[in-house]
Amino acid sequence: QLQLQESGPGLVKPSETLSLTCTVSGGSISSSSYYWGWIRQPPGKGLEWIGSIYYSGSTYYNPSLKSRVTISVDTSKNQFSLKLSSVTAADTAVYYCARRVDYSSGWYVFRYFDLWGRGTLVTVSS
Amino acid sequence: EIVLTQSPGTLSLSPGERATLSCRASQSVSSSYLAWYQQKPGQAPRLLIYGASSRATGIPDRFSGSGSGTDFTLTISRLEPEDFAVYYCQQYGSSPPAWTFGQGTKVEIK
Repeated sequence: QLQLQESGPGLVKPSETLSLTCTVSGGSISSSSYYWGWIRQPPGKGLEWIGSIYYSGSTYYNPSLKSRVTISVDTSKNQFSLKLSSVTAADTAVYYCARRVDYSSGWYVFRYFDLWGRGTLVTVSS
Repeated sequence: EIVLTQSPGTLSLSPGERATLSCRASQSVSSSYLAWYQQKPGQAPRLLIYGASSRATGIPDRFSGSGSGTDFTLTISRLEPEDFAVYYCQQYGSSPPAWTFGQGTKVEIK
């Protein structure tokens, strides 16, 4: 059964770069059916999509974060990573990695996030 | 950017009652790309509905989704104790490619 696990520092200083890794186990990150994404949730607030990546390295980002975000993939390690630069307290959140599915049924292609990691809390503070 | 607005913000109901949650988009979205998630405290979101009306694997049939265009609905026919949670709608737009979430509806025990 495929699982995703986030890892990285739980505390980052303001103006520094937040770095997280998502390890995919029980399946290959290189499947043509999936994209992989990062979503975050500030404490007590809603969900915000950060960006997504395909195993080939193709990416797309939330326009509001695009200038600060880099997502990369390492297929040899079955991992993908998030870097968010110039962080402030507003970037304090639980960060989730997730699998995006493209499911074809007849004429339709459905798209959704079906598997999520447990999430990791990152606090931005000096 | 497409904005999703969920209502109500909080729904106070008793077990056994029917819950109706609304998700309204600022412009028309593809039903194929409209999903609903359930989130309980301290847990990751869980996919309930994809394609606006298709239940994900293992989701009980008391959960149903409907709608098209700009108006979508998640209905829980008879609330079970484990259904009290926060529910989010989500959509994918292709120009530019991006995902957005609604702000969530909390279903709480009355």
